[in-house]
Amino acid sequence: QQQVKQSPQSLIVQKGGISIINCAYENTAFDYFPWYQQFPGKGPALLIAIRPDVSEKKEGRFTISFNKSAKQFSLHIMDSQPGDSATYFCAARDGNQFYFGTGTSLTVIP
Amino acid sequence: ETGVTQTPRHLVMGMTNKKSLKCEQHLGHNAMYWYKQSAKKPLELMFVYSLEERVENNSVPSRFSPECPNSSHLFLHLHTLQPEDSALYLCASSQDSRGAYEQYFGPGTRLTVT
Repeated sequence: QQQVKQSPQSLIVQKGGISIINCAYENTAFDYFPWYQQFPGKGPALLIAIRPDVSEKKEGRFTISFNKSAKQFSLHIMDSQPGDSATYFCAARDGNQFYFGTGTSLTVIP
Repeated sequence: ETGVTQTPRHLVMGMTNKKSLKCEQHLGHNAMYWYKQSAKKPLELMFVYSLEERVENNSVPSRFSPECPNSSHLFLHLHTLQPEDSALYLCASSQDSRGAYEQYFGPGTRLTVT
């Protein structure tokens, strides 16, 4: 059973637009929710992360919105740029285990 | 070298071969991980080592055998693999396996089993 469900599988956004990727979970023991960015030929790199005691975290153009009651969290990329084109993974941590979503391939067209 | 390095970057092996993947972290971390990344699937955690002791083994087939000789090095020994084992194998490290939250990933080894 997939612990973290991610959507959409792929996303195409115009330069300057907002990219939104959503994740949902069921396990209430999750205590840390990171987002990773992966470029072709590279490993995933931590982009931004949130803990369940806050509802929003912003770092530059990247924002995580967290809805604890709905068990959902999302990544918003403002003013999307062609350099943001990559695969994005959400994840959740329980103890020393990380559970990942299936990834969203983002393409930002000029 | 900085961060987490993996060698080789690409590997093609037959089902009867024996090969090893190597991971090295230059971050002073105490925990290391092996993940399997297949297309359109979530990253699958295979093994976790903390201070060179294996703390998690997520029911991985015995044809995958990890080795952690010290906190900076991690190996994945492969033998009699199946074509469905073809994937990107990622190594990661973190400060420790429980208190620290951030994992740093290497670039991966692209494995093809023929």
